[in-house]
Amino acid sequence: DAMVIQNPRYQVTQFGKPVTLSCSQTLNHNVMYWYQQKSSQAPKLLFHYYDKDFNNEADTPDNFQSRRPNTSFCFLDIRSPGLGDAAMYLCATRGLRDSRTTNEKLFFGSGTQLSVL
Amino acid sequence: QKEVEQNSGPLSVPEGAIASLNCTYSDRGSQSFFWYRQYSGKSPELIMFIYSNGDKEDGRFTAQLNKASQYVSLLIRDSQPSDSATYLCAWGGGGNKLTFGTGTQLKVEL
Repeated sequence: DAMVIQNPRYQVTQFGKPVTLSCSQTLNHNVMYWYQQKSSQAPKLLFHYYDKDFNNEADTPDNFQSRRPNTSFCFLDIRSPGLGDAAMYLCATRGLRDSRTTNEKLFFGSGTQLSVL
Repeated sequence: QKEVEQNSGPLSVPEGAIASLNCTYSDRGSQSFFWYRQYSGKSPELIMFIYSNGDKEDGRFTAQLNKASQYVSLLIRDSQPSDSATYLCAWGGGGNKLTFGTGTQLKVEL
């Protein structure tokens, strides 16, 4: 059973047209992350939520925003996608209430592959 | 200096051999280390994690951590073609963040 679900699996948008990617989780984890991964590169953390507290990485462009309306859902909004924003976007969760041996384990969704035309 | 460095490969090993993947990190405050496997077009999946110096074994996989030398490695015994993937090293330095390396591509040849 999928525990971290990302929709859609593939997303095509036009240059400059706002797009929203979604992530939901059934794990009741309090931390949710958005990573961007371009081809042959490391996943790059964009931001994360610790419960409702939003934590933005210093080098995340203003073009990227996020919302977390409740524990289960988190959204990534790209206000004006550029060609350089084409990438795989990975959502991940982590439950800090778990024991030490698992509390730093990230659970990834299947990712959304974004294309910008 | 990059926080986590890995040889991008590809690393080619014959089926049944031992594959050795290495990762160096720069932050001496790093507390925990992870190896993720990522197939092309898929999301990363956790293979091993290690917190303490020394070796940790799980089936065909052994993680080795040397904090003094700031490296962590992953050994895959009896390599199989299904092990062909990119292996990402990641470290957690406290807080809620994991930092990933660029990954090493492993090819297991028949």
